[in-house]
Amino acid sequence: GDSVTQMEGPVTLSEEAFLTINCTYTATGYPSLFWYVQYPGEGLQLLLKATKADDKGSNKGFEATYRKETTSFHLEKGSVQVSDSAVYFCALSESGANSKLTFGKGITLSVRP
Amino acid sequence: DGGITQSPKYLFRKEGQNVTLSCEQNLNHDAMYWYRQDPGQGLRLIYYSQIVNDFQKGDIAEGYSVSREKKESFPLTVTSAQKNPTAFYLCASSIGGGRDNNEQFFGPGTRLTVL
Repeated sequence: GDSVTQMEGPVTLSEEAFLTINCTYTATGYPSLFWYVQYPGEGLQLLLKATKADDKGSNKGFEATYRKETTSFHLEKGSVQVSDSAVYFCALSESGANSKLTFGKGITLSVRP
Repeated sequence: DGGITQSPKYLFRKEGQNVTLSCEQNLNHDAMYWYRQDPGQGLRLIYYSQIVNDFQKGDIAEGYSVSREKKESFPLTVTSAQKNPTAFYLCASSIGGGRDNNEQFFGPGTRLTVL
């Protein structure tokens, strides 16, 4: 079945540091890939997405590129802020499927001033 | 303002009691979902519904029940058969069907605590 693997956390960075959060996936078809963010005590918000190979999703300074050859969708940001502190989830949805999402376990990012 | 609402935000239940969590959306979405979130385990799918009057079990449906009598509403009942119900419950919706319509929108969640 489908699965999403995220790097182990938590991650603690200083403000303005470079961020990479790794995500790899296993899927039978050609999935769409997502990054969701969850701020403390809240639901999830879509951060960015990519629907086909080599697509780059971007939002709020975050980027991720759909790499079919390495089955990866790593999240990057050049300069993190304290306000980026949250839990980040990688997820996939199979193509032509019924919109079900498969999530990774999530990783907690803390950014210190 | 379109969105998904969940109520209540915090819920306390005594062991052996059933409890129903509300989820309403005004996005005109066909598909709705319930997830459970536990620390360190990410989100796990409980039930989902692609259309009114139809729903399917997710990965951890035991001890839960749902109904989908209206497009806007997808309530989740946590029954006394659920052995470890204390968790954060998230409801989501999506347009439904097709490759480009699978973005899910989430509600703010309900934190259920069994005393």
